[in-house]
Amino acid sequence: QVTLRESGPALVKPTETLTLTCTFSGFSLITSGMCVSWIRQPPGKALEWLALIDWDDDKYYSTSLKTRLTISKDTSRNRVFLTMTNMEPLDTATYFCARMASSGSGSYYPNAFDIWGQGTMVTVSA
Amino acid sequence: DIQMTQSPSTLSASVGDRVTITCRASHSIRYWLAWYQQKPGKAPKLLIYKASILESGVPSRFSGSGSGTEFTLTISGLQPDDFATYYCQQYNSYYEQTFGQGTKLEIK
Repeated sequence: QVTLRESGPALVKPTETLTLTCTFSGFSLITSGMCVSWIRQPPGKALEWLALIDWDDDKYYSTSLKTRLTISKDTSRNRVFLTMTNMEPLDTATYFCARMASSGSGSYYPNAFDIWGQGTMVTVSA
Repeated sequence: DIQMTQSPSTLSASVGDRVTITCRASHSIRYWLAWYQQKPGKAPKLLIYKASILESGVPSRFSGSGSGTEFTLTISGLQPDDFATYYCQQYNSYYEQTFGQGTKLEIK
């Protein structure tokens, strides 16, 4: 069974750096084609893709947030991390991690996010 | 950047109705489109991928179609459990994944 679970602080102050952890099970990020992404959702608003890391340690970021984001992984502990610098109140959101099992074999192509974590709410306030 | 535009933003319908939600991409994404269902306080759930392929376990009353820049999600015979918010998402490239703004399906 594939599961993902997000963890991190519920409250951060403006200008601080947020670090979130996605702990997963049921798959490995050393398996070719496997990826984990971070997606966020401000209260009452739409989903916003943030970043993705793949099995080969390639990293992809939202164009609008790339200067503030860093995604990384610890394959031995089945964890993916997201750091976001210079937090501001507009970053208040539920942050989800999700799995992408790329399609193809040999050459891989993106796929939908088939399994999501439950999300973790982060509030940015002084 | 590829923009995704969903319509309508809100849709009112009754149990048993057939409803259609549209998603338009600003550039061709071939068939690299997914649909998700989200209920309040929950994570999104994958319904359809590659524009028309039903995810395992999803009821057959859900269907998807389209290619290029225009896509639709159809629910035939609405059930009480279907009232939720629906999002489309393009995944044409690892470099960029974009969600639509969502369609809230309400009970009439």
